[in-house]
Parts: sequence; C-alpha cells; structure tokens
Amino acid sequence: GNSVTQMEGPVTLSEEAFLTINCTYTATGYPSLFWYVQYPGEGLQLLLKATKADDKGSNKGFEATYRKETTSFHLEKGSVQVSDSAVYFCALTGGTSYGKLTFGQGTILTVHP
Amino acid sequence: GAGVSQSPRYKVAKRGQDVALRCDPISGHVSLFWYQQALGQGPEFLTYFQNEAQLDKSGLPSDRFFAERPEGSVSTLKIQRTQQEDSAVYLCASSLRPGRNQPQHFGDGTRLSIL
Repeated sequence: GNSVTQMEGPVTLSEEAFLTINCTYTATGYPSLFWYVQYPGEGLQLLLKATKADDKGSNKGFEATYRKETTSFHLEKGSVQVSDSAVYFCALTGGTSYGKLTFGQGTILTVHP
Repeated sequence: GAGVSQSPRYKVAKRGQDVALRCDPISGHVSLFWYQQALGQGPEFLTYFQNEAQLDKSGLPSDRFFAERPEGSVSTLKIQRTQQEDSAVYLCASSLRPGRNQPQHFGDGTRLSIL
C-alpha cells in the first residue's frame, strides 16, 4: 500500500535559517504529492503540491520538487520566520481516482526570534 | 460560510455512549472525506463520499463507525458504543470534484475524548 515517511521532529530553528524537512514515499503508479500545514489552533491548509515527476511546487517561499528516482518530496525554505512555526505534513494521493490522501506523521517546526 | 465547518469542536463522552459528529462542506463540493487523527500522528483516511454515495469505507476501524451524507451536502459520522481508543480528532475535508490532483479543504476538526 501507499505510505509516507517524514523526518523525525521536532525541528527548532532561528529566524532566517534554512529549512529542510525530508519526505519519502512508497506508492504504486504515479501519485500526486502535497505538503499541508497546520498552524496553532487552525485546521490543515494546503501549502503546495506537485502532480508529476520533476514538477516543483511553491508557495509562501516554500518549495518542494517531485523526485521520482529517489521517491522524495523534501520541503525547503531559504529563510524561515517565526510565523512559519507550525506542523507540516507530507501527503500523497494515488491508487484511487477520487483522491484519498495518505499522510506522513507530521513534523513540528518551531522558529525562534 | 466559506470554509468547511465541523461541529461540535469538542466532545466528551463516557465509554459506551453513542456520538454524532457533523460536517458542513463547502457548498457545491462533490467529494467529502473523513479522517481520524490520533495525537502526534498524521490524519488517517476513514471514508469517502461522492455526492450522497459512500464509495469507500475501507478505513472505518469497526462496525461501530457509521457515516452518511443523505442529500449530498452535510455529512454525519456516528460512533456507537464508544471506546477509549476512539479518542482522536476527527477531520472532515471536501473538494470540488473527484480527482487525485484536487486540493482538499479541511475543517478545524472535532476533538473527541472518551472517558
């Protein structure tokens, strides 16, 4: 079956540091890949997505590239802000036509001033 | 409202009681999903509706869990004879139409605690 593995957390950074959160996946066929974010006290929000190999998703300074050869979709940001503190989830859809999501376990990011 | 609305936000029940959780999806959204999120984990799929049809219930953990969407809009997730392991956040999500590239819009969830 499908599965998503995220790097162990939590991650603690200083403001303006570089961020990488690793995500690898196992899936049959050609999944679409997503990063969702959950800010404190809020619901899950779509951050970015990529639907085919070598696509790069980007939003709010975050980027992730769909790497089929390494089955990875690592999240990066060049300079984090305190407001980026949240829980980040890597996810995929695949195996169904309607878009059932399979999530990783989440990575807690805390950014200090 | 503009987003997915879930109620109640918090529910406390004694073991053995029945509970009902409500989801109001975004108006016009065909697809509706329920997920269960245990503490410190990612959400896990429970069930999927396309309009009023429940096309996938493979994630429901037991026959105590039942979901419906009778008119293709509001959905209710019902848990009978609750047990402590049912304690979790229950998330509802909707998308405009079926498809693996469609973004899902999530509600804030219902946090269920079973005493």
